[in-house]
Amino acid sequence: DAGVIQSPRHEVTEMGQEVTLRCKPISGHDYLFWYRQTMMRGLELLIYFNNNVPIDDSGMPEDRFSAKMPNASFSTLKIQPSEPRDSAVYFCASRTPGRSSNYGYTFGSGTRLTVV
Amino acid sequence: GQSLEQPSEVTAVEGAIVQINCTYQTSGFYGLSWYQQHDGGAPTFLSYNALDGLEETGRFSSFLSRSDSYGYLLLQELQMKDSASYFCAVTVVKGGYQKVTFGTGTKLQVIP
Repeated sequence: DAGVIQSPRHEVTEMGQEVTLRCKPISGHDYLFWYRQTMMRGLELLIYFNNNVPIDDSGMPEDRFSAKMPNASFSTLKIQPSEPRDSAVYFCASRTPGRSSNYGYTFGSGTRLTVV
Repeated sequence: GQSLEQPSEVTAVEGAIVQINCTYQTSGFYGLSWYQQHDGGAPTFLSYNALDGLEETGRFSSFLSRSDSYGYLLLQELQMKDSASYFCAVTVVKGGYQKVTFGTGTKLQVIP
């Protein structure tokens, strides 16, 4: 298995532009999470899906952020318009089905976003 | 909401043992996990405790006391490659769904 795949690895964009981050979870995983990591705030949960349905988006900072999961193998996180304070590493993670958390989450390599 | 506390930095000598503590406050607690993250890398899952007691995985062990809302990660026979950040994370159940909230991380530096 290729693991959780995120693209792009790095993104540099100008303030005001739209940014779309992409994630392909591990096949068969039923949970998908979007996290944001910064030095100041650590790892913040933005939104998570279960079986493609958004369950909790209370971590999404503003209406400028939106996330979709049109099918079990693809999710996007969109920022429109982007601002310099959105600069961070964005991680996608997925989890194997079942009540047990013994296998933890598998994280993608992350997208390092820089908004200038 | 949830809150987790862990030390921000720890330094230990190669070959030694180090313990990283984590205290938490949350409702709907389901379990405590530990993740390792090297600089520039992604968090990787180390261990999970749902019940009180010690879980051992090779050189790493994790402990949980639900009554004390406390856990720790124990790293034995430290190696230079263990230099990384270590995060505790609580799994909570809300509305039948699980979600994980991470602590701010402990940066471990292993010195020769």
